[in-house]
Amino acid sequence: LAKTTQPISMDSYEGQEVNITCSHNNIATNDYITWYQQFPSQGPRFIIQGYKTKVTNEVASLFIPADRKSSTLSLPRVSLSDTAVYYCLVGDSMFSGGYNKLIFGAGTRLAVHP
Amino acid sequence: DGGITQSPKYLFRKEGQNVTLSCEQNLNHDAMYWYRQDPGQGLRLIYYSQIVNDFQKGDIAEGYSVSREKKESFPLTVTSAQKNPTAFYLCASSIGDRATYEQYFGPGTRLTVT
Repeated sequence: LAKTTQPISMDSYEGQEVNITCSHNNIATNDYITWYQQFPSQGPRFIIQGYKTKVTNEVASLFIPADRKSSTLSLPRVSLSDTAVYYCLVGDSMFSGGYNKLIFGAGTRLAVHP
Repeated sequence: DGGITQSPKYLFRKEGQNVTLSCEQNLNHDAMYWYRQDPGQGLRLIYYSQIVNDFQKGDIAEGYSVSREKKESFPLTVTSAQKNPTAFYLCASSIGDRATYEQYFGPGTRLTVT
């Protein structure tokens, strides 16, 4: 079964770059790795996804090495509003009974300080 | 407006009563999910459904039941068999059952059982 590991928490200051890494093994070979952001008392929302190498959008970058055993979410120049919990999401390599199971990481609580 | 709705936002029940949480989506998504979130914790998968009239147990299905009679609806019943039902419940939907497909989350229902 797939397993994910993320740091429980991280602290940063406004204007700094933050990198959050998710380690994952036994993930589906034909599925993307996706990251979500969650604010208190809200549902998570999609940030970015990728399959290999580097992907960048208007809010973040995602680095995925060739072996796909980890992925790193990079938030450039964070602000106070980036204080949230960040989750990685992967597909399980086990495809039993015709169903593809998805696994969220435990989440990394990022605190951005003035 | 396309989206996913959950009702009610807050729900209070006495111990021993069954309670049903509503989840509706008009995004024409095939896959729907129920997650439970306890304070300061990550998302735990209760049930998921890839298609109408079919659903699968997640990691913590005991004490919960679901139905998927219509594509747009995926209600969750918290039964009296659930030992610690007080939690924040999140419903999500996506095009398909892969991490590749963005999961859209509802606003959540906060259930308190006393």
